[in-house]
Parts: sequence; C-alpha cells; structure tokens
Amino acid sequence: DGGITQSPKYLFRKEGQNVTLSCEQNLNHDAMYWYRQDPGQGLRLIYYSQIVNDFQKGDIAEGYSVSREKKESFPLTVTSAQKNPTAFYLCASRLFASYTFGSGTRLTVV
Amino acid sequence: AQSVTQLGSHVSVSEGALVLLRCNYSSSVPPYLFWYVQYPNQGLQLLLKYTSAATLVKGINGFEAEFKKSETSFHLTKPSAHMSDAAEYFCAVSEGNTGTASKLTFGTGTRLQVTL
Repeated sequence: DGGITQSPKYLFRKEGQNVTLSCEQNLNHDAMYWYRQDPGQGLRLIYYSQIVNDFQKGDIAEGYSVSREKKESFPLTVTSAQKNPTAFYLCASRLFASYTFGSGTRLTVV
Repeated sequence: AQSVTQLGSHVSVSEGALVLLRCNYSSSVPPYLFWYVQYPNQGLQLLLKYTSAATLVKGINGFEAEFKKSETSFHLTKPSAHMSDAAEYFCAVSEGNTGTASKLTFGTGTRLQVTL
C-alpha cells in the first residue's frame, strides 16, 4: 500500500547535536511538507518542497534544514541552532487537494 | 495570507450528545478547508474536506461540516458522540486551487472529551 513512512518514531538528542528525521513516500507525490507540533499551538510549517531539488522556508524554518534530492525522500535536519527542538514532527505529501500524513517522530532533547 | 481560528481548546460532551467544533478561517482567495483527527502519538487522519463543490460536506465516522462563506466558518458536527470520538481535532485551510503553491495552515486544535 502507498503511504508515508517516518523514522524513527522516537528520537533522543543531546544538546548541541544535529539530528536527521527521515520521511519517505511511495505515493509519487511531487509536494512534501514538514510540520512541527507543540501542545496548544497546532501544527506549524517548517519547510516544504514542490519538486525535486527545490524547497521553501515555512513559518518556523530557523534552526532546521532540508534536502530534496529524490522525489520520494524529504529528510529534515534539526540543527544545534534550534533552541527548543523537543516536539512532535509530522511529514506530509500532497497530490492536488489530497494531503497524506506520516505517523510522526517525537524528538526529545536530553 | 491564510489563517484558522478554532474556538475552544477543550470541548466536553456526554456520550450520545451533539458534537460541535468551531472553525473560522481567513483567506485572500477561495479556500479549501479540511478537518483532521489525531489520536495520541499518531499522524493526522482526514475526516472531510471542502473543495468548492457542495457546501455541506459529509465525512467519515458520521461527521459533517458546512462551509458558510458569509460567516467564514466551517464548523464540524456529529449528531451523537461516541466514546471513540475522544481525540484532538484540527481545522486547516489552503488557498484553493493554487497548484504547486498550496500548503495547509492549521488551527491550534480542539481536544474533544466524551463522558459517560
């Protein structure tokens, strides 16, 4: 079945370390998105990509980086510059008006 | 620019009672509107969406929503709550059929509690 796979489900990071969250889709969707979820704040857009080798900053891009070298993959790196990275991260892809979400990665800074 | 306001961060209803979750939106172009449900530590599941066809949209699990342009609202309803409806609900807007520029903007969510 087609879908989006996010890995790992839980991730622990020490302060000052970079960490990369994986997002893979086999839906053949062109557009992909990364959202951050914090309690009481809903989902906020970090980065999005409409096509391979192109991506745009969302509302809260500072401290994050992405790449889009392949259509099916859109990894998110949380850098040491992100001051409060503990959150739930959701990846999504889109075809026309249909969005598909992954099951998320919970990142905790220890 | 687009935005979503969900009134009420927590809503509690009795099992069998009407569920009403409120959503108001702002969009500079005709919007597409969505309701998603999220269970703990999971992704988002689409309940229903409005994409400029019928203004009354029926979704899964007995939910429905009505697009009211004059009120800029897209409230979610269900006639009779079930215990399994307890979850967090998100309203979202995208700026219609803008092709590759489309992205979702979410409200802050409403946690629905269902009591016996």
